[in-house]
Amino acid sequence: DQQVKQNSPSLSVQEGRISILNCDYTNSMFDYFLWYKKYPAEGPTFLISISSIKDKNEDGRFTVFLNKSAKHLSLHIVPSQPGDSAVYFCAASAFRKTSYDKVIFGPGTSLSVIP
Amino acid sequence: NAGVTQTPKFRILKIGQSMTLQCTQDMNHNYMYWYRQDPGMGLKLIYYSVGAGITDKGEVPNGYNVSRSTTEDFPLRLELAAPSQTSVYFCASSPTPFGGYTFGSGTRLTVV
Repeated sequence: DQQVKQNSPSLSVQEGRISILNCDYTNSMFDYFLWYKKYPAEGPTFLISISSIKDKNEDGRFTVFLNKSAKHLSLHIVPSQPGDSAVYFCAASAFRKTSYDKVIFGPGTSLSVIP
Repeated sequence: NAGVTQTPKFRILKIGQSMTLQCTQDMNHNYMYWYRQDPGMGLKLIYYSVGAGITDKGEVPNGYNVSRSTTEDFPLRLELAAPSQTSVYFCASSPTPFGGYTFGSGTRLTVV
């Protein structure tokens, strides 16, 4: 049973346009969410995160939106660049300041930005 | 600054063989993790450690073992390799327990 879902395995976007990657989760205990980016033959790299006390977090061209009632988050990339072509993983965890709780990863969405 | 270093990058094992995947980090992170990624799937947690001498099972620990004798090193041991262990393995570390990991570049393991 997938607790973190990314229902679009792939997405193609023209350079300069907006890329929107979606993620849904089922566990209402999740309150901290992250996006990772992965290039082929490399490990994932942390991109941006959001806690459930916010509904939006922005970092340069990357913005993550969180809709807690819908258990849905999305990553917006504006404008999209060819170097953004990668696999994007959504991840979620239950925030605990002093102890570890598993971070659950989605299956990933492969983004292709076409020049 | 090397970050998280994994060796080897590639390995082919025969069924029943054993091997150790090495992972070293130089960021003095307490938290370390081993994940595997199968095609079309997300990263699945195998084992994790919250500090030297402390390890615990993740979602898919069967067939693996770990140790954490130092803060820097977190090796993953495969005993009696099986084709189901064919995967890409990632080691990661973090300074806090809730994400923002630094990942290694991965080990691609094939069991034949």
